[in-house]
Amino acid sequence: GESVGLHLPTLSVQEGDNSIINCAYSNSASDYFIWYKQESGKGPQFIIDIRSNMDKRQGQRVTVLLNKTVKHLSLQIAATQPGDSAVYFCAENWDQTGANNLFFGTGTRLTVIP
Amino acid sequence: NAGVMQNPRHLVRRRGQEARLRCSPMKGHSHVYWYRQLPEEGLKFMVYLQKENIIDESGMPKERFSAEFPKEGPSILRIQQVVRGDSAAYFCASSPGDGANYGYTFGSGTRLTVV
Repeated sequence: GESVGLHLPTLSVQEGDNSIINCAYSNSASDYFIWYKQESGKGPQFIIDIRSNMDKRQGQRVTVLLNKTVKHLSLQIAATQPGDSAVYFCAENWDQTGANNLFFGTGTRLTVIP
Repeated sequence: NAGVMQNPRHLVRRRGQEARLRCSPMKGHSHVYWYRQLPEEGLKFMVYLQKENIIDESGMPKERFSAEFPKEGPSILRIQQVVRGDSAAYFCASSPGDGANYGYTFGSGTRLTVV
């Protein structure tokens, strides 16, 4: 399944399928990007990050792709499991004032169907 | 090593009261960030502090909101004369240095309800 976070905030996938969650970021000067998972009632949990000098980074079952030309970020989750059900946020960072704070996207709710 | 600790987890205040939210960063972390999250929305940056200093408060409302991170003790986000629109989840993140190089660790948040 595939989702554009801003236009399709909900994504449902069958257990075992791959998931793709997309994010359009706002600032061409952003140089650091993070994907977070947030479960109900909890804080954001780091999944994977990528810097602007890379276009792909892989973790355990997750891959982040960065396309700076179109300011697009995606998170791929392989073999999606019920425990992956959560809201996923992309966050971008650029050093305007030295603060290094994060700017979060709207989020995409992933529901895994057993 | 305990994570970022926020308390209380839930806070109910009547309109006009004060809300005090506490954040104890991870051990060794001297950088603290506060974020606010409305239901079904992403987190919005409020303020960034280091010990005894406010580095960036560009995301914090000019009135009624204040934050501190004293030399000893937790960081405090204070909201005076709360209104219904202040109802939200407030998250704190900490880092041992600037977050872009060291990463951010989030707490579980304080859910403020104004009645």
